[in-house]
Amino acid sequence: DPKIIQKPKYLVAVTGSEKILICEQYLGHNAMYWYRQSAKKPLEFMFSYSYQKLMDNQTASSRFQPQSSKKNHLDLQITALKPDDSATYFCASSQEGGRAETLYFGSGTRLTVL
Amino acid sequence: TQTVSQSDAHVTVFEGDSVELRCNYSYGGSIYLSWYIQHHGRGLQFLLKYYSGNPVVQGVNGFEAEFSKSDSSFHLRKASVHWSDSAVYFCAVSLSQGGSAKLIFGEGTKLTVSS
Repeated sequence: DPKIIQKPKYLVAVTGSEKILICEQYLGHNAMYWYRQSAKKPLEFMFSYSYQKLMDNQTASSRFQPQSSKKNHLDLQITALKPDDSATYFCASSQEGGRAETLYFGSGTRLTVL
Repeated sequence: TQTVSQSDAHVTVFEGDSVELRCNYSYGGSIYLSWYIQHHGRGLQFLLKYYSGNPVVQGVNGFEAEFSKSDSSFHLRKASVHWSDSAVYFCAVSLSQGGSAKLIFGEGTKLTVSS
């Protein structure tokens, strides 16, 4: 059974629209992350949360907004979508947020913006 | 700035061959390194990590990696590959900023194992 659930698996959106990517983890972890993987760039860190608080944000655009309604949830809201936002977005978690910790990844949401 | 680079975009070997996937890093402080594997259409899975002690670390499925401070490297090896090892392999360094960890990944090396 997958311990990190990302929904939907595939998502097609039109330019200018808004979408929410869902992530739930059932590992009992306290830290959660978002990464982005596109054809143009390697895996790129976006956000980290620890105990539902934003710890690090490496996303230049405010169009990307993480939302943590519960300890084991970290959704990603993307507004004013652009074709360049097309990528696979991975959610991950770790027990805490320490440097030596192992990250566990979901299977990703592949977003295509037309 | 802490970075990691994987010089080989693609590596092809035959089943039963040994393989080494290269990873080089640059960082002036204490180093935390790891390898992850990504099978097609899946998320990343942890293979192994190093942050202190024995420079040779063992991972899952027969993988091992050796840390070398002098060469700034953390190459991944396997003595005898199986077709199921075909995947993309990512080397990563771990930063700690603002109270949480952040993995910086290399470009990835796609390993193809032919039978």
